[in-house]
Amino acid sequence: AQKVTQAQTEISVVEKEDVTLDCVYETRDTTYYLFWYKQPPSGELVFLIRRNSFDEQNEISGRYSWNFQKSTSSFNFTITASQVVDSAVYFCALSEEETSGSRLTFGEGTQLTVNP
Amino acid sequence: GAGVSQSPSNKVTEKGKDVELRCDPISGHTALYWYRQRLGQGLEFLIYFQGNSAPDKSGLPSDRFSAERTGESVSTLTIQRTQQEDSAVYLCASSLAGGPSYTQYFGPGTRLTVL
Repeated sequence: AQKVTQAQTEISVVEKEDVTLDCVYETRDTTYYLFWYKQPPSGELVFLIRRNSFDEQNEISGRYSWNFQKSTSSFNFTITASQVVDSAVYFCALSEEETSGSRLTFGEGTQLTVNP
Repeated sequence: GAGVSQSPSNKVTEKGKDVELRCDPISGHTALYWYRQRLGQGLEFLIYFQGNSAPDKSGLPSDRFSAERTGESVSTLTIQRTQQEDSAVYLCASSLAGGPSYTQYFGPGTRLTVL
């Protein structure tokens, strides 16, 4: 069963728009970790953030912010005032303390295109 | 410092041939992972090394796939008798230690094309 769902396959915005990428996860573990990675056209995955299941504080890093809500099993990612350089595929991923150990389970990714 | 490196960056082979893909993890990282990414899809886990042992190789899709690691250094993923469905980008990642709390850092991948 798929454990990480990124329902938005593709999103296209105009520069300076705000955009939110959705991520819904499924786990039975009480201890788990959520990640976001960026994959630009060059192909290399770039780590953006890690969150553990006990920390529901939202996080902001520059134009990026993340909203973690255990009640809805979601870990959404917002880019404020998007730029062309934000164009990439974004992956949400999950690792679980008991069930899956060290492996990451990835969503299918969201292709974000920011047009000038 | 240097990140995860992989070689070759591209590999084109004929169906039925064997291929070897190499991964050099970040220095000091004891854990190493292999993933496969088919075109337009997310990453699928293949195998995890802690040091030179593989406590989790449940993601290897068939016995044609094998991997080894020398100490806490280089890893090689071998695919024997390649098939067209093996065409994908193979990504390697490393982390400071094994365990779900450690962030995995990825290499640039090897794009494998099986003709």
